[in-house]
Amino acid sequence: QVQLQESGPGLVKPSETLSLTCDVSGYSISSGYYWAWIRQPPGKGLEWIGSIHHSGRTYYNPSLQSRVTISVDTSKNEFSLKLSSVTAADPAFYYCATDVSLRGFFDHWGQGALVTVSS
Amino acid sequence: QSALAQPRSVSGSPGQSVTISCTGSGSDVGTYNYVSWYQHHPGKAPKVMIYDVSKRPSGVPDRFSGSKSGNTASLTISGLQAEDEADYYCCSYAGSYTTIFGGGTKLTVL
Repeated sequence: QVQLQESGPGLVKPSETLSLTCDVSGYSISSGYYWAWIRQPPGKGLEWIGSIHHSGRTYYNPSLQSRVTISVDTSKNEFSLKLSSVTAADPAFYYCATDVSLRGFFDHWGQGALVTVSS
Repeated sequence: QSALAQPRSVSGSPGQSVTISCTGSGSDVGTYNYVSWYQHHPGKAPKVMIYDVSKRPSGVPDRFSGSKSGNTASLTISGLQAEDEADYYCCSYAGSYTTIFGGGTKLTVL
């Protein structure tokens, strides 16, 4: 059974970089799937941030592409999110998930990590 | 990319059926048969209920069904139960390896 757990600072200063890691257990990242980050701002809907293949190939939401970097570390069985130049629009629950086919089918999710932006 | 359009809320009594709509465009829902639906109880991880328009993952009750007509996809929940009360999000492939979600619908079981 695939399990995912997000970790990282819950508070980021404006203009700085948000960094989160998703630890994967019960499944080897190298075995398959794509690996996704999705966020939900307070009171709003879900937003796909991007996905990565274990080879390192990335796919990003065009609206966030200029600020997003997703990377994978197969030796640690984890993948990471960096979102630069954060603003008041970036506070959200950030979820990591398995992306079955790059077609919007996310079948395993982490519990989510709340990130706030404040000086 | 604009979020897919969903009603803010729907409601139904136990045992009844409800349908949640998800309207996109010819660039997403209307072109691709890759629509999924997620159930989200606050504080918990979202759970996929439908994928590829109408397929159910194992373990999802057959009370949940999905369909699509033109640019609009629908999730129907029959035989409503109290535990179905949650937020529901649709999601569609939007081409060029990108994905778009709906704004979410709050289902209240009366």
